[in-house]
Formats: sequence, structure tokens, C-alpha cells
Amino acid sequence: DVKVTQSSRYLVKRTGEKVFLECVQDMDHENMFWYRQDPGLGLRLIYFSYDVKMKEKGDIPEGYSVSREKKERFSLILESASTNQTSMYLCASSLLLASSGNTIYFGEGSWLTVV
Amino acid sequence: AQTVTQSQPEMSVQEAETVTLSCTYDTSESDYYLFWYKQPPSRQMILVIRQEAYKQQNATENRFSVNFQKAAKSFSLKISDSQLGDAAMYFCAYRSARGETSGSRLTFGEGTQLTVNP
Repeated sequence: DVKVTQSSRYLVKRTGEKVFLECVQDMDHENMFWYRQDPGLGLRLIYFSYDVKMKEKGDIPEGYSVSREKKERFSLILESASTNQTSMYLCASSLLLASSGNTIYFGEGSWLTVV
Repeated sequence: AQTVTQSQPEMSVQEAETVTLSCTYDTSESDYYLFWYKQPPSRQMILVIRQEAYKQQNATENRFSVNFQKAAKSFSLKISDSQLGDAAMYFCAYRSARGETSGSRLTFGEGTQLTVNP
């Protein structure tokens, strides 16, 4: 079974703090994604990566950055956390080729509260 | 850009009955994939069913089936013989079939919260 692990399930951070959300997958997937989930808005893509050190902006990248130094690990960074970044963050991974309809697998999510 | 719309924020169904969740999408592409994901209270996203746009036959997975209307850009999910464990948030999602990396992303709808009444 594919496993996508998000290291922190629940975090409480102060406004202005730098926050790291870590994600690791164990199936040698090329693609990794960070989504944000908010009520009534569904899941919105923040950033994704299709290879080590490669990244592309999603729909809502403002206030976020990412790092992918190793294939299995994809980190989401909030340089200076703000209260409007309080949300549920979901990491996901998949094989590279979209044309084969590869399934995207999700982690269990990280609840971030910024106070 | 593709968009996915779920117009039903909440739905409820009696146990053992059938319920249909609606989803519409907008795209200029001809080849793509559509998905329904289930998110129970544990928040783990679970793939329920997948449909390839080039296939005319509607996908089925046990009690779950879809009604895929490509011309109308509609992709509804039917849950038959509803069970208490079906209670969850359900998301409709779109994925391009283009080969380049930007086509790998999923675009989600807003979600439909399904309640199953005993």
C-alpha cells in the first residue's frame, strides 16, 4: 500500500512564526502536492513538484514556499504565519504520467491553527 | 483553467436507500479523468471511483456508480443501499490526461457533506 505520511497532525503556531509542514511518501512517486482545505472551498492546490528541486505554483501560492531536496520528501513552508493560514493542509503524491490516469494518494492532513 | 462545481453542500439519505450527488465541470479538453473521493471524519481521502473521459461506459464499484454525461459536462455519483459508513464529505475532482507535468494536478469541487440516517 502507498503511504503518504504527514509528520504533524495538529499544530498551533503564533502569528509571524516560520512553520514547516513535512510530508514523506514511500512509493517512489515523482509527483507531490500540497493542498489546503477550507469549508465551502474544497481543496485548493498550493504548490506541486514533479521532480527533485522542481516546483510549480498552484492556485494559491501566496504566503507559501516549498522544498523538495529528496524524492520522497516535500515540505511546505510558511515564512511568516498569519491567522488566515489557519486551515487543514493535505499532502499527496502520484506517479508522473497524467495520461495514464494514475491515482493520487493523500496523507491524513495537518491541522494548523495560527493564533 | 478547469473548474469543478458541486452545487449541493449537504445531502442526507436513509440507511438502505439510494442517493445521488451532483457534479459539473468545465473544460476545453477532450481527454481527462474524473474522480469521486470520500473524506470520512478521520480526514483520510479515499478514492471511491474513477472515470476515463474516452470511455462511454459508466464506471461502477460495488454500490457506487456514476452517470457520466460528457456533452453536458456532468458527473454524478450514485450510492445504492446506503450504509452508515458512507457518511462523509464527498469531493468530485478533475484531472487532465495531458502528458506534461502541469496536467498531473487534481482540481476539486467544493464538496458535499453526506449524512446517513439510521
